[in-house]
Amino acid sequence: DQQVKQNSPSLSVQEGRISILNCDYTNSMFDYFLWYKKYPAEGPTFLISISSIKDKNEDGRFTVFLNKSAKHLSLHIVPSQPGDSAVYFCAASGRYSGGSNYKLTFGKGTLLTVNP
Amino acid sequence: DTAVSQTPKYLVTQMGNDKSIKCEQNLGHDTMYWYKQDSKKFLKIMFSYNNKELIINETVPNRFSPKSPDKAHLNLHINSLELGDSAVYFCASSQELLAGNNEQFFGPGTRLTVL
Repeated sequence: DQQVKQNSPSLSVQEGRISILNCDYTNSMFDYFLWYKKYPAEGPTFLISISSIKDKNEDGRFTVFLNKSAKHLSLHIVPSQPGDSAVYFCAASGRYSGGSNYKLTFGKGTLLTVNP
Repeated sequence: DTAVSQTPKYLVTQMGNDKSIKCEQNLGHDTMYWYKQDSKKFLKIMFSYNNKELIINETVPNRFSPKSPDKAHLNLHINSLELGDSAVYFCASSQELLAGNNEQFFGPGTRLTVL
């Protein structure tokens, strides 16, 4: 059961343009949503997050939008740079087994390629 | 200084063997995790420890046994390795588990290949 889905395995964008990465989820009990970026042969690194009570969070070139009614979030990168080329994972944070601890549920990732 | 380190980076072994992967974090975090990224690229949590106590234990075969000698270390021991265990295993740490917005710091991963 895929609770977090990233339906586009890859995305190619020209340098300077906007990159839009999408993520859908099924569990309305998720409290936070996070984006991680991963370069080859490295572990994922945290990029940006958003609380389920917000609809937008911005950090420099990165903005995450949340549409709770559609159970959809997106990451916008503008302007895109070649160094942004990486795999981007969407993750949702929810309580583990209904208790007080949290766990992250990840999507499969989207490979972003920014062409110079 | 590496924040979260794992050893070895690559591990190639035969079916039926027992192997261990070590993880150390120098961030002073209370919580550590093991994730598995399989061939379908899903990154799935296996275990989590908070201050040496097992907090999360997903549906994982009991051939996998995590051990946390102190809060800076979380090792993963795998008995009787099977072909399906081939994957990349990531260790991670975070400040606390009792927060929905807990940013996790990942190690570089250990690529395990079972022949």
